Amino acid sequence: GENVEQHPSTLSVQEGDSAVIKCTYSDSASNYFPWYKQELGKGPQLIIDIRSNVGEKKDQRIAVTLNKTAKHFSLHITETQPEDSAVYFCAAGPTGNQFYFGTGTSLTVIP
Amino acid sequence: SAVISQKPSRDICQRGTSLTIQCQVDSQVTMMFWYRQQPGQSLTLIATANQGSEATYESGFVIDKFPISRPNLTFSTLTVSNMSPEDSSIYLCSVTGQVDYEQYFGPGTRLTVT
Repeated sequence: GENVEQHPSTLSVQEGDSAVIKCTYSDSASNYFPWYKQELGKGPQLIIDIRSNVGEKKDQRIAVTLNKTAKHFSLHITETQPEDSAVYFCAAGPTGNQFYFGTGTSLTVIP
Repeated sequence: SAVISQKPSRDICQRGTSLTIQCQVDSQVTMMFWYRQQPGQSLTLIATANQGSEATYESGFVIDKFPISRPNLTFSTLTVSNMSPEDSSIYLCSVTGQVDYEQYFGPGTRLTVT
C-alpha cells in the first residue's frame, strides 16, 4: 500500500517568513495530493490540492509543488500570519477509496 | 464544498458502554467515510459507509466493534461498541465532493473513555 512521510513534525517561523512542509509517497499510481489544515478542536480543512498532471498550483499565499519522478510534494506558505498556526496534513492516493495521510506538521507562527 | 455536522461534538463514556455518532451532510453525496484520529496522531480510515449495503472496513477494524449505518445519501452513523480507554480518539466523518477525489471532513467527535 501507499506510504506517506511528512517532515518536519514541528515548525516555528516568525510572522512574515515563509514555511515549507515536505511529503514523500511510495505508490507511483497515486495521482491526487491534498493538503489539510487542522485547527485545535476542529476537523481537517482542505486548503489546496494538486493532481499528477500539474507540477505547481498556487492560491494566494499558499502553493503546492509536485515532483512525480522523485515522488515528493511540498506545501509553501508565504508571508505567514499568526492565524496560519495549525497542524497541516498531506495525503496521497487514491488506492481504491482510500487516501493515506502524513503524520502532520505543527506550525507555529510567532508574532 | 459540503457542510458536514456531527453529533455529539464530544462525550465522556464509561468502559464497556457504546456510543453512536451521527453525521449529517447538507447535500447528497456518493461516498462517506469514517476516520479515527488518536491524540496527536494522523488520520486512519475505519470504513467506507455504503448506502444500502454493508460498510467496507479497513484492516484492523471490524463490524462488531464499529457498526455503521447509512440509510440515505446524506446521513450515516458510527457506533463504537464495548468501549475501552484505547478507543479514546477523535472520530471524523468525511465525504467526497462534486470534484473527483476532493474530500471534506466534519468537525469531529471527541470521545474519552474512562
